[in-house]
Amino acid sequence: SQQGEEDPQALSIQEGENATMNCSYKTSINNLQWYRQNSGRGLVHLILIRSNEREKHSGRLRVTLDTSKKSSSLLITASRAADTASYFCATDTGRRALTFGSGTRLQVQP
Amino acid sequence: DAGVIQSPRHEVTEMGQEVTLRCKPISGHDYLFWYRQTMMRGLELLIYFNNNVPIDDSGMPEDRFSAKMPNASFSTLKIQPSEPRDSAVYFCASSLGQGAEAFFGQGTRLTVV
Repeated sequence: SQQGEEDPQALSIQEGENATMNCSYKTSINNLQWYRQNSGRGLVHLILIRSNEREKHSGRLRVTLDTSKKSSSLLITASRAADTASYFCATDTGRRALTFGSGTRLQVQP
Repeated sequence: DAGVIQSPRHEVTEMGQEVTLRCKPISGHDYLFWYRQTMMRGLELLIYFNNNVPIDDSGMPEDRFSAKMPNASFSTLKIQPSEPRDSAVYFCASSLGQGAEAFFGQGTRLTVV
């Protein structure tokens, strides 16, 4: 079964709007990572947040982590058409390789 | 570094044939992962290596699948015999450390007819 599950499965917004994606997981983690996948391409690492961190920023990306709720969110501010992609969370439990969620497909309309 | 390199990018083969997918990880990385991506099952871990040694192959679906890493710069995933349900995109990734940022190749799109 998937360790991480993203929500929503699909999201369509207008350019300039913010996009928020959520990830829930089941077991304790060392860190949680977010990746982007453009159509027909491999996954690209966006950001890593450790279990003792609550929030992290990278450019237009903001990630939060709530270990008590076993959840994380990825916020993309001022979205652009180029942000159109699938976004995946991945968890590191220290016991196995990264486990990926099912992803959120983001469509940013120009 | 050119990143993780996979070959071929696309493979179309007939059912029953042997298929070999290849991967060159990033130099210096000590972990190598093989994932499979389908619409139905998402991104599944098949097997991963640490310093060329297989650590966990519990995700390998059947005995038809095998993977090797003869040295730090090369790995193969072999399917023999192939079946239509093996059709998927197969990704290789490498990292420096088990839970560290993973670098993915462009994937091999396998179609078994």
